[in-house]
Amino acid sequence: DAGVIQSPRHEVTEMGQEVTLRCKPISGHNSLFWYRQTMMRGLELLIYFNNNVPIDDSGMPEDRFSAKMPNASFSTLKIQPSEPRDSAVYFCASSLDGITDTQYFGPGTRLTVL
Amino acid sequence: AQSVTQLDSQVPVFEEAPVELRCNYSSSVSVYLFWYVQYPNQGLQLLLKYLSGSTLVKGINGFEAEFNKSQTSFHLRKPSVHISDTAEYFCAVSVLPFGNEKLTFGTGTRLTIIP
Repeated sequence: DAGVIQSPRHEVTEMGQEVTLRCKPISGHNSLFWYRQTMMRGLELLIYFNNNVPIDDSGMPEDRFSAKMPNASFSTLKIQPSEPRDSAVYFCASSLDGITDTQYFGPGTRLTVL
Repeated sequence: AQSVTQLDSQVPVFEEAPVELRCNYSSSVSVYLFWYVQYPNQGLQLLLKYLSGSTLVKGINGFEAEFNKSQTSFHLRKPSVHISDTAEYFCAVSVLPFGNEKLTFGTGTRLTIIP
């Protein structure tokens, strides 16, 4: 298996622009997670899907952030409008079933908002 | 709510020396505990996890950790480190019961191996 695939790997945008991050989980995995990693706040769970349904989005910072999982093989994390404080590495991870199953992380998307 | 504390932000160790990375957690209910490793410019990878049973858990790459309920700790150890162990290590905790699990990560410990 190719593992968790994320695109783009790097994104540089200007404040106010819309940003869409993409994730393809490992085939057969039922759970998908979006994380954000910054020096100041460390690794934070933003949202967690199980069987394409959002289970916990309490980590989503504010209404500017939204995530979707239209099918078992694709998820997006959208930021609109983007702000400089959104600059971070965003990771997608998947697991067979649930948050305590081994999570397999993608390589991450490094987002820079100018 | 649960929390995780990794007291050491950086740990330098000579090659082939033993290492212990400390992790303490806070929770009023039963927990699951994890150690993840992040190599430079990569995502996280599971080293080991404690769900139940034996309190000594063995993981990949020669690492092991011991769950100590009385001290609310889950320290990670390796008897002899290699240059390739240079990475950032994250402890994480998830609480029971299921249905509304949350996984909380510590702030990480950067392990640097000195040749």
